[in-house]
Amino acid sequence: AQKITQTQPGMFVQEKEAVTLDCTYDTSDPSYGLFWYKQPSSGEMIFLIYQGSYDQQNATEGRYSLNFQKARKSANLVISASQLGDSAMYFCAMREDRDDKIIFGKGTRLHILP
Amino acid sequence: ETGVTQSPTHLIKTRGQQVTLRCSSQSGHNTVSWYQQALGQGPQFIFQYYREEENGRGNFPPRFSGLQFPNYSSELNVNALELDDSALYLCASSLGSGRETEAFFGQGTRLTVV
Repeated sequence: AQKITQTQPGMFVQEKEAVTLDCTYDTSDPSYGLFWYKQPSSGEMIFLIYQGSYDQQNATEGRYSLNFQKARKSANLVISASQLGDSAMYFCAMREDRDDKIIFGKGTRLHILP
Repeated sequence: ETGVTQSPTHLIKTRGQQVTLRCSSQSGHNTVSWYQQALGQGPQFIFQYYREEENGRGNFPPRFSGLQFPNYSSELNVNALELDDSALYLCASSLGSGRETEAFFGQGTRLTVV
């Protein structure tokens, strides 16, 4: 069963607009962490934001925020005031505490239009 | 930049050959994980090394093997290369093998098998 689902293969957004990238996950482990990574064309995975399953508040890092809805098993990334440099692949990922690996979704390619 | 360095950046090999990819982890990090990212897909976990011992393995055959050295740098070895091994190989370093908040990725090695 797919553990991380990103339903948007690609998105086009006008510069300065906010954008939401969807992510749902599946786990039976009560303790887990959720991540978002950005991958530009250079290939490097850039860590953006982390949310622990027991965290009460939604995580925020600058222009990035994670809309964590635990009951829905949803962990959407919100980018406020998008910039041209935000154009990249974005991956949602999860790590279960009983395991050592990070499981990635298939990604969403975000295009920011001038 | 994350301080995680991978070499080489690009590599072309022939089917049946063997390849060694290298990763220097970020200073102070004792855990290295390796991922395979096929074109258009999210990264897939290969294995993780913690203090020179394998500490978790994904669904990859034994011809994928690794090492971690006392300075915590790491190698990924792939024997009997197949065409489907063509991918971007990413290594990530982190502090500890438990539930870390982030793993720092290198820029990857792009392997092409012909």
